[in-house]
Amino acid sequence: DQQVKQNSPSLSVQEGRISILNCDYTNSMFDYFLWYKKYPAEGPTFLISISSIKDKNEDGRFTVFLNKSAKHLSLHIVPSQPGDSAVYFCAASGRGWGKLQFGAGTQVVVTP
Amino acid sequence: GAVVSQHPSRVICKSGTSVKIECRSLDFQATTMFWYRQFPKQSLMLMATSNEGSKATYEQGVEKDKFLINHASLTLSTLTVTSAHPEDSSFYICSAQTTDGDEQYFGPGTRLTVT
Repeated sequence: DQQVKQNSPSLSVQEGRISILNCDYTNSMFDYFLWYKKYPAEGPTFLISISSIKDKNEDGRFTVFLNKSAKHLSLHIVPSQPGDSAVYFCAASGRGWGKLQFGAGTQVVVTP
Repeated sequence: GAVVSQHPSRVICKSGTSVKIECRSLDFQATTMFWYRQFPKQSLMLMATSNEGSKATYEQGVEKDKFLINHASLTLSTLTVTSAHPEDSSFYICSAQTTDGDEQYFGPGTRLTVT
């Protein structure tokens, strides 16, 4: 039973524009959310996170928004760059950190 | 930043044989390591939680006798796929959690192909 869902398998965006990736979750016990970036044949690398007590966290070009009532979070990348082309995974964790539930990922392609 | 290595990066084995995958935290100690599996175009699925010096905790549906986990030190956890079958072919990724629990770092993954 998939508790973290990324319903868009792919996203194509022009360089310089905004990329918006969406993630929905079903488990209200999740209290920590993370975004990872993954290149082919490599492990995921941490991008940005947000705890359930916040609704926004920003780090450079990356901003994560959390809507707890809707059980929805999104990742905004602006401006998008060709190096951002990768698979982005949304992940969630319960209290105490550790075990992560991952979404299926969204393949982002940034075109020149 | 912290580095987690996995060895081998790629392995091909025959059906019925066993394969061992190592996960090492290179510059930090990890009381807890996690093993994930990723099938093509699917998400990473947590298989088990490995705690140093104690038995691993397996997720529902993961056979503990098939996927043997040993976490003998604070920097090394191993996953042994016993009597491998073609359906075990997958990308196996480990992650290591810092002892303060604040960070989790992923290894590069091991591509297992069972023929």
